[in-house]
Amino acid sequence: SQQGEEDPQALSIQEGENATMNCSYKTSINNLQWYRQNSGRGLVHLILIRSNEREKHSGRLRVTLDTSKKSSSLLITASRAADTASYFCATYRDNYGQNFVFGPGTRLSVLP
Amino acid sequence: GAVVSQHPSRVICKSGTSVKIECRSLDFQATTMFWYRQFPKQSLMLMATSNEGSKATYEQGVEKDKFLINHASLTLSTLTVTSAHPEDSSFYICSATGTGTVLTQYFGPGTRLLVL
Repeated sequence: SQQGEEDPQALSIQEGENATMNCSYKTSINNLQWYRQNSGRGLVHLILIRSNEREKHSGRLRVTLDTSKKSSSLLITASRAADTASYFCATYRDNYGQNFVFGPGTRLSVLP
Repeated sequence: GAVVSQHPSRVICKSGTSVKIECRSLDFQATTMFWYRQFPKQSLMLMATSNEGSKATYEQGVEKDKFLINHASLTLSTLTVTSAHPEDSSFYICSATGTGTVLTQYFGPGTRLLVL
């Protein structure tokens, strides 16, 4: 069954604006990861946040994790047209990758 | 580092034929490789997990006789779609983890399969 669920499913913003995507999940996790996928391509790992962390930054990316609400958010600041892609959260339940489950993704369009 | 390649990137085949897709870890030893399937505008669905030298573990609903997985070495896993049908047309993506990267999967670029 699907674990992570992103919302919104599609988001369209202007260049320079911030984009926020949310992810909810149902079971306990060891960590949550965000990936990016350009159309027709493989996935690129963006950031990993462990279950005992609340916030993490990487460049223009900020990820938060609220384990009490079983939710995470990905914020992209000062978006660029090149940020246009689908973004997926994936939850990880143990250390051996046996339960690595992707959400349906958010399709982000950044308009120039 | 941590580069995963897939070959071919695209394949078109006739219904009833078998297609083999290769997944290679180029600069690390992949103890575990994963195979996913992705339909247009949908998320990735895990098909199977393979560990080097052992049989793959298939997810519920995935036919092991139709999707043959071989992980013969620490750098290569293959997925063979046997007797392919049009409904098998999809985007197949592999990923790999190494001994030092258990928490992060590195994804290949994907293989688009079209069965006519």
